[in-house]
Order: sequence, then structure tokens, then C-alpha cells
Amino acid sequence: ELKVEQNPLFLSMQEGKNYTIYCNYSTTSDRLYWYRQDPGKSLESLFVLLSNGAVKQEGRLMASLDTKARLSTLHITAAVHDLSATYFCAVDIKGNSGGSNYKLTFGKGTLLTVNP
Amino acid sequence: GAVVSQHPSRVICKSGTSVKIECRSLDFQATTMFWYRQFPKKSLMLMATSNEGSKATYEQGVEKDKFLINHASLTLSTLTVTSAHPEDSSFYICSASLGGQVLGKLFFGSGTQLSVL
Repeated sequence: ELKVEQNPLFLSMQEGKNYTIYCNYSTTSDRLYWYRQDPGKSLESLFVLLSNGAVKQEGRLMASLDTKARLSTLHITAAVHDLSATYFCAVDIKGNSGGSNYKLTFGKGTLLTVNP
Repeated sequence: GAVVSQHPSRVICKSGTSVKIECRSLDFQATTMFWYRQFPKKSLMLMATSNEGSKATYEQGVEKDKFLINHASLTLSTLTVTSAHPEDSSFYICSASLGGQVLGKLFFGSGTQLSVL
């Protein structure tokens, strides 16, 4: 059974500060997703990481993937209030053919609050 | 970009009634769609995989007779919560994959908040 662990689950930080959210997963997978969810809303896709060593950046967010360590990180640089949301990582389960079948297992989410 | 439309966004119903939620891929064909359930301040749990033209595949612990899934076309999957009870109250989200067209991309609907009185 694939398990996905995120930490921290709650993060309160001041504007302008940096921080990293960690996502560990238990079995082999080469595809990791990061999503953002605002209260009462659906998921917004942030990053899809497809291979070992992949690094993607969008604005103040940067995600990386280490498949050997089964670890992904979401780094926040110089946080601003608009980044306040819940962030989820998700890992897919390989299908019988070895490719992805897009069945995602989600971490519990990190509730990020950025204070002025 | 690809859009997945989910309707209704919010529904309130009486206990014992059935509720249908629609998930449509607006500008692409989705042979596979997924249904998730999310409790307040919790993570998303995969309920089932909806396959066009065939029976849905349910995750362990999900009652197939309670959560009926129909994927009648390449752009529409429906989830019907039958004989709803208060414990079925939850946020339901569908997703669809572009598969080989946009590698690795999954798109989520806007979600449906179900409240059973």
C-alpha cells in the first residue's frame, strides 16, 4: 500500500520568510504532483515532477523530486499572504504495464498561513 | 488549458434521497475519470476510477451500490449517491487525465459540496 506523508501539516510563517514542505512516499513511483487548495475550492495544479532530479519553479514556489530517497520538497521563497492555502502532494500508483494510471494517493496536506 | 466542469457545486438534500453529480471534460476526451471524496480539513481519498463504456473500478471500502458511477461518453461521468445519509455529507471532486496528450497532467473539477440533512 502506497503511503504519502507530508510535513509539516500546519505552517505559520511571516511574509518575506522562506520555508520548505516535505513529502515522503513509501513505494516506487516516478510521478509526483503538487496541488494548491483554497478553502471551499477544488485543486489547482502547481507542478508535475516526472523524473529523478526534476526541479520546477513557478514564482515563489519551487518543487524538486528525489526518487531514490522517495522525497519531494516544495520550497517557498519570500512568502506573501496570497500563498496562504493548503498544499497537497500526491503520488500515482503504477499501472500493470508500468506506466501511470493516474490513481493518486494524497498526503494529508499542509495548511500554510502567511502572516503580514 | 483543459477544463473539467463539475455540477452542481453545492447540493443540500434530505436523508434517503439520491443525488447525481456530473463531471464533464469540456475540451478534451477523457476515457478515464476519477472520483475523490474529501472530508473537512482532510485529504482526498480516491473512491473509484470511471472508465468510459465499462464498469467503474471501486477502491476498497467504497460501496459500489451506494456510489453509482456511469461513464456514458468520453466527456461525461456521473456519480450518484443513492439513499443519502448524513454521513455521506462531504466534498466530492472529479478529475480527468489528458494522458499522452499532456504527459502527467490531471485536471480537477470544481468540486461538489454535499450536505445531507
